[in-house]
Amino acid sequence: EVQLVESGGGLVQPGGSLRLSCAASGFTFSRFGMSWVRLAPGKGLEWVSSVSGVTTYYADSVKGRFTISRDNSRNTMYLQMNSLRAEDTAVYYCAKAPPAHDSLMDVWGQGTTVTVSS
Amino acid sequence: DIQLTQSPSFLSGSEGDRVTITCRASEGISSYLAWYQRKPGKAPKLLIYAASTLQSGVPSRFSGSGSGTEFTLTISSLQPEDFATYYCQQVKTHPLTFGGGTKVEIK
Repeated sequence: EVQLVESGGGLVQPGGSLRLSCAASGFTFSRFGMSWVRLAPGKGLEWVSSVSGVTTYYADSVKGRFTISRDNSRNTMYLQMNSLRAEDTAVYYCAKAPPAHDSLMDVWGQGTTVTVSS
Repeated sequence: DIQLTQSPSFLSGSEGDRVTITCRASEGISSYLAWYQRKPGKAPKLLIYAASTLQSGVPSRFSGSGSGTEFTLTISSLQPEDFATYYCQQVKTHPLTFGGGTKVEIK
């Protein structure tokens, strides 16, 4: 069974850092694009970042503060989040892309909650 | 950036109703559009991609159409399990963007 499990969320003060992890199983992780998407309280889905091969992409709202990476040997994707702001408070989902469609998201994790507050 | 505008933002329907949600793009995106369903406390689910291709395992009562700047998601006969929030997403270019969502509730 294809499965994604996020971890690393929590409460952090403004200006702080967190690193989210997404552990993948049930598929050949290295072959697929991966993404992070967030859902802030009372708001809609917001794409955060994607990695396709060695190419990375970021939303303007996180560019320069967040870094996406992956360790194919560990079947894990990461999101390093620095200089966190209150508006980064959200549930963060990792998602896998289907074959040949790196910008789509066909399998999602259950999410990890990030709260940025003093 | 490509903006996506969904309408309506809220929809009230009864079981068996036919419902249609519209997604308009700020510029032409050909057929590079997907639809997702999200239920409270659950992860989003991919329903349709390439504007009209049904994802494997998705019931046939869901259908998508459109190209360019105007797209629709139709549920031909609303079922209890369809009450959720629906989002469109453009995948033509980065930054990827989602529409604001349409919440479908029970009348």
